[in-house]
Amino acid sequence: GAGVSQSPSNKVTEKGKDVELRCDPISGHTALYWYRQSLGQGLEFLIYFQGNSAPDKSGLPSDRFSAERTGGSVSTLTIQRTQQEDSAVYLCASSLSWGEQYFGPGTRLTVT
Amino acid sequence: KQEVTQIPAALSVPEGENLVLNCSFTDSAIYNLQWFRQDPGKGLTSLLLIQSSQREQTSGRLNASLDKSSGRSTLYIAASQPGDSATYLCAAGNTNAGKSTFGDGTTLTVKP
Repeated sequence: GAGVSQSPSNKVTEKGKDVELRCDPISGHTALYWYRQSLGQGLEFLIYFQGNSAPDKSGLPSDRFSAERTGGSVSTLTIQRTQQEDSAVYLCASSLSWGEQYFGPGTRLTVT
Repeated sequence: KQEVTQIPAALSVPEGENLVLNCSFTDSAIYNLQWFRQDPGKGLTSLLLIQSSQREQTSGRLNASLDKSSGRSTLYIAASQPGDSATYLCAAGNTNAGKSTFGDGTTLTVKP
């Protein structure tokens, strides 16, 4: 079956612009996760959804970051007024409840 | 706050050697422990998931163990091959739902 997909695969944007990153989880997976991987650094947890609810938003770096999930499926991560320090690879994963996480290929965001 | 450490940060071995990668975590109240590999410029591929009630999991040449009381997990790779060269990451799944804490990874190079 299809795995986790993310779009776009690459995004270059100017500082101050807003960006939307999309994640399509594996069909039937109730949990969805967003992580960020900066150059040469480990994975940083951003947010997770169980269904359409996000019980833990503590990982979002600032109020410029927001995420939503609709229909228990697709999720979008929005970054407003992008800054250069937002440049990173944004990874999405999904799982059945809190089980094994399957990752998408990521979106590489470059803020110029 | 959960902290996950992976030692060593890098490892180089000749082809055919058996090797062990280490992962330690500070909070033993985990839900599960998952091992991933990441190839350069790619997303994460799940290798093994150990539930908190389990002691080990095996898949082919890979064996992962979990000792919650000591806060440790190991990934054993038998008869290493050049294709095993990648960065290996472990992630501790926290019991209060959803959030996984990743180590910084061990970069493995298997020389022909």
